[in-house]
Amino acid sequence: SAVISQKPSRDICQRGTSLTIQCQVDSQVTMMFWYRQQPGQSLTLIATANQGSEATYESGFVIDKFPISRPNLTFSTLTVSNMSPEDSSIYLCSVDRHTQDDYGYTFGSGTRLTVV
Amino acid sequence: DAKTTQPNSMESNEEEPVHLPCNHSTISGTDYIHWYRQLPSQGPEYVIHGLTSNVNNRMASLAIAEDRKSSTLILHRATLRDAAVYYCILTGSARQLTFGSGTQLTVLP
Repeated sequence: SAVISQKPSRDICQRGTSLTIQCQVDSQVTMMFWYRQQPGQSLTLIATANQGSEATYESGFVIDKFPISRPNLTFSTLTVSNMSPEDSSIYLCSVDRHTQDDYGYTFGSGTRLTVV
Repeated sequence: DAKTTQPNSMESNEEEPVHLPCNHSTISGTDYIHWYRQLPSQGPEYVIHGLTSNVNNRMASLAIAEDRKSSTLILHRATLRDAAVYYCILTGSARQLTFGSGTQLTVLP
C-alpha cells in the first residue's frame, strides 16, 4: 500500500505567519486530498490536488488562504497563510490507492498546528 | 453525497464481538459503503468496503441490509487496539471521502 510522509508532524506558529506542510508519497498518484480536523471534530475536505492543474477547493476554503502546489505525481504542499488561532487544527493529506492489489485511501499521520 | 447516521459512542468488552451500525436511507444504487477508523493521534485507515453483498477481510466483516439502507461493521473479537473512531462513508461518483461524526468505540479490558 502507498506510504505517505507528511512534514512537519507538529508546529507552533505566531499569528500572521504562514506554514507550508509537505506530503510525499512513495508511488505516483493522480489525486491528492487535503483535510482539516479541528479539535474534537471530524475531518473536513479542504481541496483536491491534481498534478498539472489548479486545485479544486471545497466550499468555505479559498486559494488565498490555503494555496496548494502539486509539482509532480508524488508530492504536494499545503500552505496555511496569515494564520490565526482559529487555524489551529490537524492537517492531513490523503491519496487514493485504488489499484488491482490494493484499495482505499491512505492518510498521512497529520500535522498538528497550534497558532498562538 | 448521501448522508450516514451513526451512534456517537459505543462500548465493548475485550475479546467480545462488536457490531457498529450505520444508517444510510438515502443511499443510491451506485454508492459504495466504506468504513474507516481513526486511532488516537493517527490519520484514518481503511477498514472495509462493499456495495451489495456482505464482505469479509482480515480486519472485519461488513453486513449490508438487503435494501442497502443500513449496514453493520462487525469486529469479531475486539481488542484494546480497536479503540478508535469508526466512520461509515458513502462514495458515489465523487472520488473524495466525506466524513461524518463517526462512532467512538471504547474497548473495556
